[in-house]
Amino acid sequence: DTGVSQDPRHKITKRGQNVTFRCDPISEHNRLYWYRQTLGQGPEFLTYFQNEAQLEKSRLLSDRFSAERPKGSFSTLEIQRTEQGDSAMYLCASSPRLAKTNYNEQFFGPGTRLTVL
Amino acid sequence: GNSVTQMEGPVTLSEEAFLTINCTYTATGYPSLFWYVQYPGEGLQLLLKATKADDKGSNKGFEATYRKETTSFHLEKGSVQVSDSAVYFCALSSFTDKLIFGTGTRLQVFP
Repeated sequence: DTGVSQDPRHKITKRGQNVTFRCDPISEHNRLYWYRQTLGQGPEFLTYFQNEAQLEKSRLLSDRFSAERPKGSFSTLEIQRTEQGDSAMYLCASSPRLAKTNYNEQFFGPGTRLTVL
Repeated sequence: GNSVTQMEGPVTLSEEAFLTINCTYTATGYPSLFWYVQYPGEGLQLLLKATKADDKGSNKGFEATYRKETTSFHLEKGSVQVSDSAVYFCALSSFTDKLIFGTGTRLQVFP
């Protein structure tokens, strides 16, 4: 399977613990996005990378959240000192950067469901 | 700021009925518009897209036309099937390419 993969698929943690999620994009896709989806809502943008550079961060991304893409391939999203309000599905997407187009189709992974007790 | 508004669900239809899910948007510039679908237990999949005014996106019998004058991108299908039961998300992207989603509309199709 050459789609976007995310690990783990499910994570249950206690409040105050740190968690880290991983996303492996489609090979050669140079853009990688993180979104968060809470129950009954659409996904909300968190941040995105072009290669290893983090180009934009949402105001939703508090200082407890950090994302990296050190070699421009896989990415990690870490949440420190988790709170119950962090419980959500965390989605990763990747896209190629195509010249002379005004959009890039984003391909989504299956998501990591986080439950903070 | 940019935003997407779509009709609340659930939308409940009998098989072979006509489907419309309304979507309107607010955006600066000329966004691209998308419909994504999320089947039970699966990830988001792109259903169709339109990148400029009057474009019609189509896929699997679904269609949506980019209407700049009414800032709308309504999803339609002439004859739904039970297998179309899913959550449908309208979304837009602007020059930064991040997607802005609506809240989703759940479609339930009964035989």
